[in-house]
Amino acid sequence: EIVLTQSPGTLSLSPGERVTLSCRASQSVTSGYLAWYQQKPGQAPRLLIYGISSRATGIPDRFSGSGSGTDFTLTISRLEPEDFAVYYCQQYGTSLTFGGGTKVEIK
Amino acid sequence: QLQLQESGPGLVKPSETLSLTCIIFGGSFSSTSYQWAWIRQPPGRGLEWIGTMSQLWGTHYNPSVRSRVTISVDTSKNQMSLKLTSVTAADTAVYYCARIYSGTDYWGQGALVTVSS
Repeated sequence: EIVLTQSPGTLSLSPGERVTLSCRASQSVTSGYLAWYQQKPGQAPRLLIYGISSRATGIPDRFSGSGSGTDFTLTISRLEPEDFAVYYCQQYGTSLTFGGGTKVEIK
Repeated sequence: QLQLQESGPGLVKPSETLSLTCIIFGGSFSSTSYQWAWIRQPPGRGLEWIGTMSQLWGTHYNPSVRSRVTISVDTSKNQMSLKLTSVTAADTAVYYCARIYSGTDYWGQGALVTVSS
């Protein structure tokens, strides 16, 4: 089983700031099958990024993904008020596993 | 536009079987292009994959629940089902059905199931 570790657990930031979230895998992610999700309270997760760096339909270009092998990053270039949420990474190359999440909260 | 909708009892007694159904609108579980999954989220916690089903690759389950879980599809009714036996309080969660294509691109709204006597 591939274990995904996200860091940090919580980030306290202000609107307009740049955000970098980390996701580290216990072994190489098959074929780059790494995705990122945003989840707000009471809602299902929303797909942001798939295949490490491809934005899902309708996702603003302030969201970007990068990385390879076992180390991956989600970057939000400039935080908007609606971006405060919990973010999860997921690998879907070998079964399915999720990271523990990073909460981005308002400072 | 694809939509997924979970339904089932919101309260299940310990040691009994949790049964949920996912109905698909605007699509079909018989498509060979996709995988379909059940994912759960205990209150205040993270996401946990339960299992996946596809026409091409069959079913695969999380080892943590493999001995207790069955995922099946009734294509004539456009329904996917989840059965989880011998439940405990640790199975209390919001249960989502979802489509896997490039990532998990479609999710149901989720169904809260509480295990309690």
